[in-house]
Amino acid sequence: GNSVTQMEGPVTLSEEAFLTINCTYTATGYPSLFWYVQYPGEGLQLLLKATKADDKGSNKGFEATYRKETTSFHLEKGSVQVSDSAVYFCALSAETSGSRLTFGEGTQLTVNP
Amino acid sequence: GAGVSQSPRYKVTKRGQDVALRCDPISGHVSLYWYRQALGQGPEFLTYFNYEAQQDKSGLPNDRFSAERPEGSISTLTIQRTEQRDSAMYRCASSTRTGFTDTQYFGPGTRLTVL
Repeated sequence: GNSVTQMEGPVTLSEEAFLTINCTYTATGYPSLFWYVQYPGEGLQLLLKATKADDKGSNKGFEATYRKETTSFHLEKGSVQVSDSAVYFCALSAETSGSRLTFGEGTQLTVNP
Repeated sequence: GAGVSQSPRYKVTKRGQDVALRCDPISGHVSLYWYRQALGQGPEFLTYFNYEAQQDKSGLPNDRFSAERPEGSISTLTIQRTEQRDSAMYRCASSTRTGFTDTQYFGPGTRLTVL
């Protein structure tokens, strides 16, 4: 079946540090890949997505590249801010499993001033 | 425009009671999904609809759980004879189309606590 594995958290960084949150997946075919973010007290919001190999999704300074050869979709940001503190979820959707999203466990990010 | 809304936002019930959770998707969205999220975990798929038709209910944990979307808009997730293990955040999402490339937009969730 499909699965998503995220790096274990929590992650604590200082403001302006570089962020990487690793995400690898297992799926048949060519899934679509997503990063969702959950800010404190809020619901899940789409951060970025990529629907085919070598695509790069980007939003709010975050980027992730769909790497078919390494089955990865790592999230990066060059300079984090305190306001980026949230839980980040990597997810996939595969044609073979309908439209359902399969999520990773989530990574808690805390950015200190 | 209005996003996905869910009600109630919080529900506390006693073991053995039935509960109904409501989801109002974004207007015009064809697909509607239900997920359950335990504390510290990612959401897990329960079921989804295209229009009023339930396409996949393989994620429903047992026959105490059911869902409907009779007019292809609002959906209700019903849990009968609730148990403490049903306590979780229940999340609803909708998307414009049924494709696996489409973005799902999530509501704020309903926090269910079974005492």
